[in-house]
This record gives sequence, C-alpha cells and structure tokens, in this order.
Amino acid sequence: DQQVKQNSPSLSVQEGRISILNCDYTNSMFDYFLWYKKYPAEGPTFLISISSIKDKNEDGRFTVFLNKSAKHLSLHIVPSQPGDSAVYFCAAKMEYGNKLVFGAGTILRVKS
Amino acid sequence: NAGVMQNPRHLVRRRGQEARLRCSPMKGHSHVYWYRQLPEEGLKFMVYLQKENIIDESGMPKERFSAEFPKEGPSILRIQQVVRGDSAAYFCASSPMFTAGGQETQYFGPGTRLLVL
Repeated sequence: DQQVKQNSPSLSVQEGRISILNCDYTNSMFDYFLWYKKYPAEGPTFLISISSIKDKNEDGRFTVFLNKSAKHLSLHIVPSQPGDSAVYFCAAKMEYGNKLVFGAGTILRVKS
Repeated sequence: NAGVMQNPRHLVRRRGQEARLRCSPMKGHSHVYWYRQLPEEGLKFMVYLQKENIIDESGMPKERFSAEFPKEGPSILRIQQVVRGDSAAYFCASSPMFTAGGQETQYFGPGTRLLVL
C-alpha cells in the first residue's frame, strides 16, 4: 500500500538545465507535502514544502507545484547544479497528523 | 550545532544482542519521530513521541522494538534480540510544538546505520 509514489528511480540532467522530479499520491487526506534531499550516509535535509491550499511555492532555485485534482506534485530545480546531485524524497502528511509518508526517492545526477 | 543529534552513527551487533539508538532533538523541539530506511527504499515511520509519552507507535514492530523519550535526556530506540532483517538506517526527526493546521516541518538527524551480523 504505497500511498506516495516516485515513479522515476533516477534522473540525469545537464548542469544549468531544469530538473523536474515528480511525485504522485493516492490518499486525498494528505494536505501538506514536503521535499527532502539526501546525500549518502547523511540524514534527509528539508528543501521546500507546500500546503494543499496552494498550487505553487517557490524558494530560490526550487519550486514545488501541486495539482490536487491529479494528486500530483513536482519539484523544479533551475538552474541545476552538480551539487544538487542527491536522492530526492517526496513526503506527505495529513492535516493534524504526525507521521510523514515517504516515496521511494529519485536519484538526481547533474552532469557538468 | 543546533541540529538533531544521533549516536552512534554506526552500530554493529551480532544476532541476539540489543541495540540502543539515541536521539537528541533540535533545541526548542518537543516532538521526536523515528523512521527506518531499508536498502533501496524510502523512509518508513515507526513511532512519534513527546516528553514521557508515546503518541503514535503504529509503525513499530509488535515485538522486540521499544522507544522512549524521558523527561531528561535523549530519546532512545531499543531493539532487543536483533536479527539480520533489522539491519537498516534509523533516522530520528524532531519538530516544534504543533501549530494550527499541523504543518510543522520535521528536521532529521544524520541517522544510525545498524548492521546485524
């Protein structure tokens, strides 16, 4: 019962171009979504989040888009940099809930 | 360093031994969460605690696993009689007290890599 899905195990992008990471969810009770970035042997680092009352949130090079009707969100990184190479996890949370439900992650490789 | 602290970073145990993982939340955070990541998978929720209380342990295995967050000191995740399948990365996260809407961000520690031989 995988409620949060990241269907692309990996993505390779040229430096300076846009990286688009996708995430789908099945539980309509989720109302808060987060993206985390993880380097090997480290813990996940919070990147950006979005509430279900919004359809877009932007923070520097990172923008998250939410399409509630499609139960889909995406993370855009522009321009991509080699230091962005990492595993990206999408996570979701229910209103007043406490646990995060994670996707399996997407490995992003930014080539210089 | 005001981040979430976890120790040890690496832990090796033989089958049947006990493993104790420690987590100190960020300063000012009163909520602690434990997650487990198996190889090639995402993080899976295990337990959510506040000081001296277990709030949600729906992700904890029924046997051998326990967690606590005492009034003083770090949160402890204890695994008794470890088996090879317990080998994983265990991450602790913390968040501040809930605000309206429950949209608190959880901040993660560096994790403890447990290897059971």
